Amino acid sequence: DVKVTQSSRYLVKRTGEKVFLECVQDMDHENMFWYRQDPGLGLRLIYFSYDVKMKEKGDIPEGYSVSREKKERFSLILESASTNQTSMYLCASSLEESPNQPQHFGDGTRLSIL
Amino acid sequence: AQRVTQPEKLLSVFKGAPVELKCNYSYSGSPELFWYVQYSRQRLQLLLRHISRESIKGFTADLNKGETSFHLKKPFAQEEDSAMYYCALSPTGGFKTIFGAGTRLFVKA
Repeated sequence: DVKVTQSSRYLVKRTGEKVFLECVQDMDHENMFWYRQDPGLGLRLIYFSYDVKMKEKGDIPEGYSVSREKKERFSLILESASTNQTSMYLCASSLEESPNQPQHFGDGTRLSIL
Repeated sequence: AQRVTQPEKLLSVFKGAPVELKCNYSYSGSPELFWYVQYSRQRLQLLLRHISRESIKGFTADLNKGETSFHLKKPFAQEEDSAMYYCALSPTGGFKTIFGAGTRLFVKA
């Protein structure tokens, strides 16, 4: 069974801090994704990566960056946290060998920016 | 533009009643469509995908290309079906998945 692990379930940071959210998957998946989940807005894609060191902007990349130095790890970085980035963040992974594969999600990180 | 619309934010039904969660999509090609579910305090997980044509936990979903819909149905709702349901679309040959805003299903005893 695929395991996607997000390093923190809850995180509280202050405005202006640099914040790192970590995600690790153990199934050798090529594709990894970061979403934020907000009530009434569903899941919105922030960034995704289809290979090591490769990244693509999603629908709402402003204020975020990502890093994928190793295949199993995909990090989301809030360069200078702001209160409007308070949200639930979900990491997901999927196989590359055939597109349109379902995504496997982590438990999520609930981030509060004070 | 590619879009997934779930018109109902909240759907409340009685146990044993039929349930239908609506999903409409906007896409010019032949998409891959999914339903994901998130139970309380659990991670988001795949419920079913249209290409599999299977029934999971009594749920089915039929792709209607004419109406661009992919509604999720179950003939007899159970209390354990209470959850957040997301309809999602993946464009042909693509890696990205587009999610709807979600429908919270509440099954009353």
